[in-house]
Amino acid sequence: QSALTQPASVSGSPGQSVTISCTGTSSDVGSYNLVSWYQQHPGKAPKLMISEGSKRPSGVSSRFSGSKSGNTASLTISGLQAEDEADYYCCSYAGSGTFGYVFGTGTKVTVL
Amino acid sequence: EVQLVESGGGLVQPGGSLRLSCAASFSSYWMNWVRQAPGKGLEWVANIKEGGSERYYADSVKGRFTVSRDNAYNSLYLQMNSLRADDTAVYYCAREVAWRGGMDVWGQGTTVTVSS
Repeated sequence: QSALTQPASVSGSPGQSVTISCTGTSSDVGSYNLVSWYQQHPGKAPKLMISEGSKRPSGVSSRFSGSKSGNTASLTISGLQAEDEADYYCCSYAGSGTFGYVFGTGTKVTVL
Repeated sequence: EVQLVESGGGLVQPGGSLRLSCAASFSSYWMNWVRQAPGKGLEWVANIKEGGSERYYADSVKGRFTVSRDNAYNSLYLQMNSLRADDTAVYYCAREVAWRGGMDVWGQGTTVTVSS
């Protein structure tokens, strides 16, 4: 199972919006509405930001939203803030081949 | 606030074994192990159903790692055998929020270093 493809880095100024893409295949991202997104600050455990494609867990800012089109999922961060600077990983159900997950390659978000 | 606490990490020689534990009172949830090699991304390792009747593994660890749980003792385990240098990583246990929908509660991680 190959990792999902994410851009290595994205950046934006405070208040702007940024979108992170996550490209998989018709066997994972494209077949299920089971993409999740995680934020990870240096030295910390990942934090769930979006589950099941577009659900926002309690306590996660409404500035974070998830969507999908075909084999590509996206995370949009609107109204970028300094504390949003972190690594972001997408994750998808990998399908009946493994019955597990496949993570994305990770994206570093920089707030200029 | 719910939390998970991993333990059992350490330094082990190539070919050796180690058992990780995760204190987790989540008997009604699927549980997962995820690892992160130094400076690298996240990698899913294994998961186990609520009652332990189903277990699945990443190809990279299949046949070497075994996931188990003891709900009576609120514990999740990862038995790691035939360890290799590329198993060096921080290992996290994580609770599944909904079937394969994502992982909403994570431990702080325990570090495994495989080196001679």
